[in-house]
Amino acid sequence: AQSVTQLDSHVSVSEGTPVLLRCNYSSSYSPSLFWYVQHPNKGLQLLLKYTSAATLVKGINGFEAEFKKSETSFHLTKPSAHMSDAAEYFCVVSDTGTYKYIFGTGTRLKVLA
Amino acid sequence: DGGITQSPKYLFRKEGQNVTLSCEQNLNHDAMYWYRQDPGQGLRLIYYSQIVNDFQKGDIAEGYSVSREKKESFPLTVTSAQKNPTAFYLCASSIASGTNYGYTFGSGTRLTVV
Repeated sequence: AQSVTQLDSHVSVSEGTPVLLRCNYSSSYSPSLFWYVQHPNKGLQLLLKYTSAATLVKGINGFEAEFKKSETSFHLTKPSAHMSDAAEYFCVVSDTGTYKYIFGTGTRLKVLA
Repeated sequence: DGGITQSPKYLFRKEGQNVTLSCEQNLNHDAMYWYRQDPGQGLRLIYYSQIVNDFQKGDIAEGYSVSREKKESFPLTVTSAQKNPTAFYLCASSIASGTNYGYTFGSGTRLTVV
């Protein structure tokens, strides 16, 4: 069965420094992988998705993620954090042909001034 | 602008009451979903619908019911059988049920038992 693990429940960075949010997945087949962002009391917004094309995926707001099959990872990065990046981030995995998305438990990003 | 509208934003339920959460989309999406979000637990699937007049139970369907009489609408009823309903509820839609399509989410309804 597929699963997703977000390795950090909380991450704090200073404004202007790089962001790294870690995600590992488990999937029997070729997965589709997504990162979503949620600001407080809001819905989730799609940041980026991997669907078996290029392994380095660029998303909105300067975020990108690299699919590494050998490491079963899909870590989210950004070169320089902005105060507006403070939010909760969810990694999602889904197998081809199924309806179900499996959500990680989330990583709360705090950006310090 | 196309999107998903959830209402109300905040909802209070008394013990033993049924309450209905509204979800409407104007994206012409076939598939719609209801998730429950609790702190530290991520999102858990309650019900989903791949097409009008059809829906299936998700992982935590007990104490909930849904209908899908129109493509645009997928209301969720939290019944008195749901013993711990206090949570943040998110509705989502996608073009079709399938893994290559991202979801569009509504802004959520926060339900509190009083």
